Amino acid sequence: GAGVSQSPRYKVAKRGQDVALRCDPISGHVSLFWYQQALGQGPEFLTYFQNEAQLDKSGLPSDRFFAERPEGSVSTLKIQRTQQEDSAVYLCASSPRTNLNEQFFGPGTRLTVL
Amino acid sequence: AQRVTQPEKLLSVFKGAPVELKCNYSYSGSPELFWYVQYSRQRLQLLLRHISRESIKGFTADLNKGETSFHLKKPFAQEEDSAMYYCALRRGSTLGRLYFGRGTQLTVWP
Repeated sequence: GAGVSQSPRYKVAKRGQDVALRCDPISGHVSLFWYQQALGQGPEFLTYFQNEAQLDKSGLPSDRFFAERPEGSVSTLKIQRTQQEDSAVYLCASSPRTNLNEQFFGPGTRLTVL
Repeated sequence: AQRVTQPEKLLSVFKGAPVELKCNYSYSGSPELFWYVQYSRQRLQLLLRHISRESIKGFTADLNKGETSFHLKKPFAQEEDSAMYYCALRRGSTLGRLYFGRGTQLTVWP
């Protein structure tokens, strides 16, 4: 079956632009996670949804970052007024239950802010 | 606070040699530990988890709470094992979020 998909795969933005990154989780997966992976580092947690509820957003680095999952399926990560330090790969992962399960990762969106 | 440390950024071995990728963690509670792997041009995927006590592709990892370690081992490395390996920790109470180490790039030479 289809895995987690993300779009766009690559995004180049000028500093100050807003961007929106999309994640399509595996159908029926309850949990959805966003991670940020800077070059040479491991993924860092950003936020977590259980269905449409955003249960943890403690990893969002600033109020310029906003995520939503309005219908409990597709999720969008929005970054306003992008800065160079936002350049990273943004990974989305989904999981069929709330705990004790494997997270299935998407291919990521590589964001470059010039 | 919790932390996952992978001391080796790069690790090279020859085919057939044993390999051990180190992972140490700091967490005062009872963690769940995982190894994720990313092969070239592929997405991150789960390799194994400590709770399952399984062997996947010849790899094993034992959680040593005394040493707070979860090293990944394989007795005979294969070229196809070349990949980036990430150790990850989940706290029992944190709804699934993972804390990752920085990763170890394993290269297995023919």
